[in-house]
Amino acid sequence: KQEVTQIPAALSVPEGENLVLNCSFTDSAIYNLQWFRQDPGKGLTSLLLIQSSQREQTSGRLNASLDKSSGRSTLYIAASQPGDSATYLCATRLGSGNTGKLIFGQGTTLQVKP
Amino acid sequence: EPEVTQTPSHQVTQMGQEVILRCVPISNHLYFYWYRQILGQKVEFLVSFYNNEISEKSEIFDDQFSVERPDGSNFTLKIRSTKLEDSAMYFCASKRTGSTDTQYFGPGTRLTVL
Repeated sequence: KQEVTQIPAALSVPEGENLVLNCSFTDSAIYNLQWFRQDPGKGLTSLLLIQSSQREQTSGRLNASLDKSSGRSTLYIAASQPGDSATYLCATRLGSGNTGKLIFGQGTTLQVKP
Repeated sequence: EPEVTQTPSHQVTQMGQEVILRCVPISNHLYFYWYRQILGQKVEFLVSFYNNEISEKSEIFDDQFSVERPDGSNFTLKIRSTKLEDSAMYFCASKRTGSTDTQYFGPGTRLTVL
């Protein structure tokens, strides 16, 4: 059974810092991995999707990497801003079947201080 | 930009009552999902739906739950007889194809069972 873990659970940094959020998963036979942002009491906004054949994806100040063999993904946020404060979730999809259910980690809550 | 919408945003109900949560997926999407997030816990998969039938369901999705796509736009989750432990945020998600696509999530319905 796939288990997804995110470390740390919470992170507080000053504005402008570069930071890395970690995600690990127990079953390396993933089809893809998605990073989401969740603001308090709100829905999930998709940030990046990495296919199993890819090593990284970039969108603006965000860069996500994937190492399937070690069961790890990282989300790198460059030059953090107070508006980046949110909970960041990673989710894996197993197998190539079309159901595509996602298994989520518990999230890392990020606070960027001005 | 098209988005997944959900109604209501907050539903309060008495234990034992039936509730229907509604979702309008993105119009050209073919795969539909319900997830839930109990306060302070991980987002959990409930059910996936494709071609007018359930393609996968979790152990949470017992006989008290059902899903329906009553017309070409709505996707509903019904809980027949709510329990206190059904209190959670319920998220609807959709994606266009079965292979590599991103799942797009709605803003959620907060269900409170008293």
